[in-house]
Amino acid sequence: DQQVKQNSPSLSVQEGRISILNCDYTNSMFDYFLWYKKYPAEGPTFLISISSIKDKNEDGRFTVFLNKSAKHLSLHIVPSQPGDSAVYFCAAKGRYGAGGTSYGKLTFGQGTILTVHP
Amino acid sequence: NAGVTQTPKFQVLKTGQSMTLQCAQDMNHNSMYWYRQDPGMGLRLIYYSASEGTTDKGEVPNGYNVSRLNKREFSLRLESAAPSQTSVYFCASSELAIRDTQYFGPGTRLTVL
Repeated sequence: DQQVKQNSPSLSVQEGRISILNCDYTNSMFDYFLWYKKYPAEGPTFLISISSIKDKNEDGRFTVFLNKSAKHLSLHIVPSQPGDSAVYFCAAKGRYGAGGTSYGKLTFGQGTILTVHP
Repeated sequence: NAGVTQTPKFQVLKTGQSMTLQCAQDMNHNSMYWYRQDPGMGLRLIYYSASEGTTDKGEVPNGYNVSRLNKREFSLRLESAAPSQTSVYFCASSELAIRDTQYFGPGTRLTVL
């Protein structure tokens, strides 16, 4: 039962253009969402997060949008740079013990490989 | 500032062998986690420790045991390795389990033959 899904295994964009990575979730008890970035042979690094009380959070070139009614979030990278090429994971957490979510547990999507071409 | 460190980086085991993966963090975090990453599966939580002295099962705990040795260290043990445990293992830590960002180590690539 995949509660967090990233349906696009890969995305290819041109340098300078917008990259949009998508993520869907099924558990309505998730109330905090994060994006992690992972380079080969390294651990994931935190990129940006959003609480369910917001619908948008921006940090420099990165913006995360949350549509709770659709149970959908997206990460926008503008402008995209070759150094952004990596695997991007979305993750979700819920309140303690609520709706089958575990204390502090992050549920990850499968990841999307982003390639930004010069 | 090392953050989260893991040893070893690579390991090859034969079926039935045992080993312990080590993890340490120097950020004075209370909570620590072990994940495995498999192709097409994302990261899945094996065990976690919300605070020193406590451990709890995650999503895929079977075949593993953990020890929270002290506030800094959290080890993962495979008592009798199986090919299905071939994976990349990541340790992570956070200041608190709720709400706080998790910081990941570089991973251990384990192959079980």
